[in-house]
Amino acid sequence: NAGVTQTPKFQVLKTGQSMTLQCAQDMNHEYMSWYRQDPGMGLRLIHYSVGAGITDQGEVPNGYNVSRSTTEDFPLRLLSAAPSQTSVYFCASRKEGYSGNTIYFGEGSWLTVV
Amino acid sequence: AQKVTQAQTEISVVEKEDVTLDCVYETRDTTYYLFWYKQPPSGELVFLIRRNSFDEQNEISGRYSWNFQKSTSSFNFTITASQVVDSAVYFCALSEATTDSWGKLQFGAGTQVVVTP
Repeated sequence: NAGVTQTPKFQVLKTGQSMTLQCAQDMNHEYMSWYRQDPGMGLRLIHYSVGAGITDQGEVPNGYNVSRSTTEDFPLRLLSAAPSQTSVYFCASRKEGYSGNTIYFGEGSWLTVV
Repeated sequence: AQKVTQAQTEISVVEKEDVTLDCVYETRDTTYYLFWYKQPPSGELVFLIRRNSFDEQNEISGRYSWNFQKSTSSFNFTITASQVVDSAVYFCALSEATTDSWGKLQFGAGTQVVVTP
């Protein structure tokens, strides 16, 4: 049972480049989310999904796209990277309902945009 | 809108001292969940505890204890007899219990705990 797997762990991009952060979970969780962590600001929600085919914006969605074609995968796309997107990104998953309300996080992806 | 406030940016203690981290939250929901996570220098998020809004019992787990008070919207965390390995950033977080909110956490800004020998 791998839990939540994020790749890559580290990435350096040039301004204007595009890339995709991958997130996969093997727990059949309905809910998946992406957060970014910046110094002094905690983690902020970028996008989330309540199930395959359904996504919605969080607190800081600008500059990011997501899709959820399968229950397992929830990739985060940066279409044209900007230095302001330098951050640590965390993917999370959670099962629906009161019995499954533990949230599992991936190990994080450190992204630097130069 | 929900909000989580961790007013303490950094706390420095000497080993074996107790440390209390404050967390105050705001939500309009009557049913919600509160969490504490630890982020050591290695960067991963380590789950510590989840508390349901309808369960106000305090909890103790080893050197960790939590004091949940709905009347003051607080969910404070105490580390007893701190150790150097407790040095980390600690986050308090809130999740509302609606269909749309299960996957969404509102985090506080975090409190850096520094324990020196």
